[in-house]
Amino acid sequence: GENVEQHPSTLSVQEGDSAVIKCTYSDSASNYFPWYKQELGKRPQLIIDIRSNVGEKKDQRIAVTLNKTAKHFSLHITETQPEDSAVYFCAATDSWGKFQFGAGTQVVVTP
Amino acid sequence: DTGVSQDPRHKITKRGQNVTFRCDPISEHNRLYWYRQTLGQGPEFLTYFQNEAQLEKSRLLSDRFSAERPKGSFSTLEIQRTEQGDSAMYLCASSSGTSGTDEQFFGPGTRLTVL
Repeated sequence: GENVEQHPSTLSVQEGDSAVIKCTYSDSASNYFPWYKQELGKRPQLIIDIRSNVGEKKDQRIAVTLNKTAKHFSLHITETQPEDSAVYFCAATDSWGKFQFGAGTQVVVTP
Repeated sequence: DTGVSQDPRHKITKRGQNVTFRCDPISEHNRLYWYRQTLGQGPEFLTYFQNEAQLEKSRLLSDRFSAERPKGSFSTLEIQRTEQGDSAMYLCASSSGTSGTDEQFFGPGTRLTVL
């Protein structure tokens, strides 16, 4: 089955700096890669996603890149702000179309 | 509120008791997923439905867990003979379409504490 590894587990950045989170997956059939943000005590919410026919996608300060050959994808947050502090989860679909989530990255943005 | 809802939000029970949770997905969403999340971990897949059909159940899930979606709308997750290791947040999510490559919208979760 699908296995998703996410690094780092924690990430501290100064406000205004960039943050990068990396994920690798094992199932070559995976074709959809969402990223979710979960604030403390709240439900996970989608922030950006990418499909396998696209190498990069950007939405304002957030971008995701996908390397299908290497089976890894990354989340990039530029000009970080305190409200970006949260846990971020990557996920990949398996051949049945269900998500396998990474273990999460705790991002702390310090003013 | 047209989002995914779950009930109850919190459940405290004694070891050995049975508990049942309910999830109401976004109207007309075909797929409904159940996950379990423990502190510091990502959501762990338990089972999912496409309409009323249960398509897959995690191999890690013991026979004490059962889920239903009788009319293809709301779903229930039952845990029989609860154990302390069942303490976790149980999340429900729903999505449109049938391929699985669609955004999953999560509910607020049911936090289970087994004493």
